[in-house]
Amino acid sequence: KAGVTQTPRYLIKTRGQQVTLSCSPISGHRSVSWYQQTPGQGLQFLFEYFSETQRNKGNFPGRFSGRQFSNSRSEMNVSTLELGDSALYLCASGRGYNEQFFGPGTRLTVL
Amino acid sequence: AQSVTQLDSQVPVFEEAPVELRCNYSSSVSVYLFWYVQYPNQGLQLLLKYLSGSTLVESINGFEAEFNKSQTSFHLRKPSVHISDTAEYFCAVSDRNAGNMLTFGGGTRLMVKP
Repeated sequence: KAGVTQTPRYLIKTRGQQVTLSCSPISGHRSVSWYQQTPGQGLQFLFEYFSETQRNKGNFPGRFSGRQFSNSRSEMNVSTLELGDSALYLCASGRGYNEQFFGPGTRLTVL
Repeated sequence: AQSVTQLDSQVPVFEEAPVELRCNYSSSVSVYLFWYVQYPNQGLQLLLKYLSGSTLVESINGFEAEFNKSQTSFHLRKPSVHISDTAEYFCAVSDRNAGNMLTFGGGTRLMVKP
């Protein structure tokens, strides 16, 4: 069974630009969550989607948004990029409440 | 709201020695508990989880963790570490009734020395 895939793996953007990251969950998984990982703040929850509906949302500004498609694939978008948005963005998929499988992440660098 | 504290940011240990990585959590609701491992330049891999039942849970590679409700702890132990166990370990909790939102601790870097 294929794991969680994230594209692209690496991305370089400049301040003020916007970026879209993509996540394909494990087949059959309807929940997709996004996390931001930075050296300073650690791992922080962004949002979770289940059956195309946002089920949970973390404490991030409105510049961070996401969506989920009918095939469970998910995208997250960050508008008006800031230097502090440089991070590893991790996507995780799951079936129920009790286990999530993480992808390899997208490394975003904002210059 | 929940919070997770991993008491040690780094733990150096010699190969074949035992190790304990400490994790304490705070929550006003019932939680699920997890340990994840992250190798350099990779995502997170689930090591083990506590959902219910026996408070001692084990992984296939020799790690174990014990849920202690009175002390709100979920410490990770291994009786004999290998060089290949060198990685960052994250303790996490989720609300049993609120989807898949994980709250992570700050991580513990386990450094196994020959």
